[in-house]
Amino acid sequence: EAGVAQSPRYKIIEKRQSVAFWCNPISGHATLYWYQQILGQGPKLLIQFQNNGVVDDSQLPKDRFSAERLKGVDSTLKIQPAKLEDSAVYLCASSLSAGGGEKLFFGSGTQLSVL
Amino acid sequence: SQKIEQNSEALNIQEGKTATLTCNYTNYSPAYLQWYRQDPGRGPVFLLLIRENEKEKRKERLKVTFDTTLKQSLFHITASQPADSATYLCALDSTNTNAGKSTFGDGTTLTVKP
Repeated sequence: EAGVAQSPRYKIIEKRQSVAFWCNPISGHATLYWYQQILGQGPKLLIQFQNNGVVDDSQLPKDRFSAERLKGVDSTLKIQPAKLEDSAVYLCASSLSAGGGEKLFFGSGTQLSVL
Repeated sequence: SQKIEQNSEALNIQEGKTATLTCNYTNYSPAYLQWYRQDPGRGPVFLLLIRENEKEKRKERLKVTFDTTLKQSLFHITASQPADSATYLCALDSTNTNAGKSTFGDGTTLTVKP
């Protein structure tokens, strides 16, 4: 079974530039998550999709971050414009459903450095 | 405010010993608690899930306990090996409704020395 695919693996940009990350979840997984993980911290949820609808985006900085999952499969997370504090690993995860206690499957993440 | 605290210091143990990691929480009523392993440069990998009405769960050399009165989970790795060296994250699902989502602690880095 193929895992969660993410690209790019690394990205270096200057502040105020824009960047986009792509995620393809495990086939058949209805729920997709984007997490931000700052060095030394645990993953922090940015947005959760159930199929192509948003379940929770309460911690997404909507003035600069946007995400979409148009066909209920793969997803894109965008930052525009980037700030220095956005330097982090962006993890995509998927699960079969959004029910409590669902096991999350993570991709390897995109490491973003904002200079 | 809600808080999840894991061992603040990294844990160094000798091969063959039992590693015990703690996860304490405040202002949560988790229906589920999960433990994940994360290696450098990789995403977290699911290890074990325990429900609020379960006291203990085992899987091979892993054991998790869950005490909702103390608001604490303990994660044990018996007969530890250098390959167990990684960061271990606990995650709480604060609801058992269809909107469940996992909130993670900051993790504990375990190093097992040969």
